[in-house]
Amino acid sequence: AAGVIQSPRHLIKEKRETATLKCYPIPRHDTVYWYQQGPGQDPQFLISFYEKMQSDKGSIPDRFSAQQFSDYHSELNMSSLELGDSALYFCASSQGGVGNQPQHFGDGTRLSIL
Amino acid sequence: SQKIEQNSEALNIQEGKTATLTCNYTNYSPAYLQWYRQDPGRGPVFLLLIRENEKEKRKERLKVTFDTTLKQSLFHITASQPADSATYLCALASRGFGNEKLTFGTGTRLTIIP
Repeated sequence: AAGVIQSPRHLIKEKRETATLKCYPIPRHDTVYWYQQGPGQDPQFLISFYEKMQSDKGSIPDRFSAQQFSDYHSELNMSSLELGDSALYFCASSQGGVGNQPQHFGDGTRLSIL
Repeated sequence: SQKIEQNSEALNIQEGKTATLTCNYTNYSPAYLQWYRQDPGRGPVFLLLIRENEKEKRKERLKVTFDTTLKQSLFHITASQPADSATYLCALASRGFGNEKLTFGTGTRLTIIP
């Protein structure tokens, strides 16, 4: 079965640069979530989209923005990167997006800031 | 503030025994509680979901209980195997009409010793 696809898998950037992470949800899933996971930490919710509209916002810095496109894929744009942004970034998708639906996670993008 | 704690950071269990993981929460009224498994460098994988009006849910060797009075969920793996070694995360979602982000617990790193 198709899973959530994230690209790139690894990304190395320097401070103050920008980065774009991409997420392709499972076909027919209408909801996308973004999470950030630091080393040894639990995933922290950043932002979600339902039917291409932002539906919820968590601890996402103002330097980050995201959108969901007409084909339901999503992109997380990160600017003025800081050392503290180094983390695993996960995208998850679900159908309907309510709490009684499991979220399907991709394998993440590992972002390293030098 | 909302807090989700999992009993221990690490748990070592002898192969064949039952592993029991605990998830406690405060200042939260979840409508749904989910358990995920995460292997190093991979995204969380959905295991089980239990609703607030359900006491117990089973799937093969897995069992989850949910006590909203104690604000606690227990996750059991019976006849444990070395392949069950991973980090296990509980996650809570509120009853909502939109798209429910998951709030994750701190995780328990389970090691099954052959």
